[in-house]
Amino acid sequence: EVVMTQSPGTLSVSPGERATLSCRASQSVSTNLAWYQQKPGQAPRLLIYGTSTRATAIPARFSGSGSGTEFTLTITSLQSEDFAVYYCQQYNEWPITIGQGTRLEIK
Amino acid sequence: EVQLLESGGDLVQPGGSLRLSCAASGFTFSSDAMTWVRQAPGKGLEWVSSISYNGDHTHYADSVRGRFTVSRDNSKNTLFLQMSSLRAEDTAVYFCAKKVSDSGAYYFFDYWGQGTLVTVSS
Repeated sequence: EVVMTQSPGTLSVSPGERATLSCRASQSVSTNLAWYQQKPGQAPRLLIYGTSTRATAIPARFSGSGSGTEFTLTITSLQSEDFAVYYCQQYNEWPITIGQGTRLEIK
Repeated sequence: EVQLLESGGDLVQPGGSLRLSCAASGFTFSSDAMTWVRQAPGKGLEWVSSISYNGDHTHYADSVRGRFTVSRDNSKNTLFLQMSSLRAEDTAVYFCAKKVSDSGAYYFFDYWGQGTLVTVSS
């Protein structure tokens, strides 16, 4: 199975600054990668799919890039509501696999 | 408005069985694949199982294959997860989620329920 590894485990960033989250796949997943945001006590929310396409109603400050095995989620001008846990998911092959998450916290 | 409402979570003994349900509304249930994802307390997300729009195709994580069965009743807009031979490590919140409608063969998920808690303990 494709192992998804996210880094860092925790990222501390000040509001208004930029956050860069990484996701690495153990083998190529082409651009078949999605990102989710999860806040405490809530269900995950789809942010990005196809590596770089924002889901419905996702603000433009969220962007994704990469291909193959290396992917990045960038959040510019961090807002208070952006502090959460972020997960990457590959859907290039079965089984679907999800990274262990990056916790984005307020610095 | 799309709504997914899970139910059936409970405290069950190791080796026991449980059936989870996910009632869907607000979209054409029979047109969309569905999935179960779980989250152990304080841990990350783990994909469990997916089922195609008509139930013809199912997929399972290795950790549950042979013990869990996913199914759906399109006449009742309901997704199920039959869980048997439960283990302590199956303890988690179980979310149902809807596959994005126009994503072809690619399974990523745009609507999620709030989850139901399964606790496996003696």
